[in-house]
Amino acid sequence: AIQMTQSPSSLSASVGDRVTITCRASQGIRNDLGWYQQKPGKAPKLLIYAASSLQSGVPSRFSGSGSGTDFTLTISSLQPEDFATYYCLQDYNYPPAFGQGTKLEIK
Amino acid sequence: EVQLVESGGGLVQPGGSLRLSCAASGFTFSSYWMHWVRQAPGKGLVWVSRINSDGSSTSYADSVKGRFTISRDNAKNTLYLQMNSLRAEDTAVYYCARRGAWGRFDPWGQGTLVTVSS
Repeated sequence: AIQMTQSPSSLSASVGDRVTITCRASQGIRNDLGWYQQKPGKAPKLLIYAASSLQSGVPSRFSGSGSGTDFTLTISSLQPEDFATYYCLQDYNYPPAFGQGTKLEIK
Repeated sequence: EVQLVESGGGLVQPGGSLRLSCAASGFTFSSYWMHWVRQAPGKGLVWVSRINSDGSSTSYADSVKGRFTISRDNAKNTLYLQMNSLRAEDTAVYYCARRGAWGRFDPWGQGTLVTVSS
């Protein structure tokens, strides 16, 4: 099974900061990777699919990049509503696998 | 509006059974693969199971294989998860999610809490 290693596990940042979260796959997954945002008590929300495509309705400050084994989610200028936990998900083969999550907290 | 609504969660004793439902609306349910994902309290997301659009093919995480059964009724626009031989470690919020093109898991239901405890 493919393992997804996400880093960092937590991150403290300020409004307006640029932040980057990384996901590494244990083997190549082409660009079959999505990024999800989850707020406490809520369901996950899709932000990025196919590694770099922005889901409809998601602000353009979110972007994704990468292919193969290394992927990045970038938030260009943090807004108060962006403080949440972020997960990557590989859908290249079964079983689908999530990263461990990155909790983004206010500094 | 595209929507998924889970139901059926609750408190069950170890070794017991529960059936979760996920009611879909606002889209052609029979055209999409569907998934179950769970999240133990304070933990991350874990994939559980998936079913193809006509229900002829299923997959399971090793941790639930042989105990859980995913199914669907396309006439009722409803996805199910039959959970048998439940264990304490199955305690989690269970989410259903639609898998669209390009591997998009969207939308997700609001989740239903399953607690396995004596």
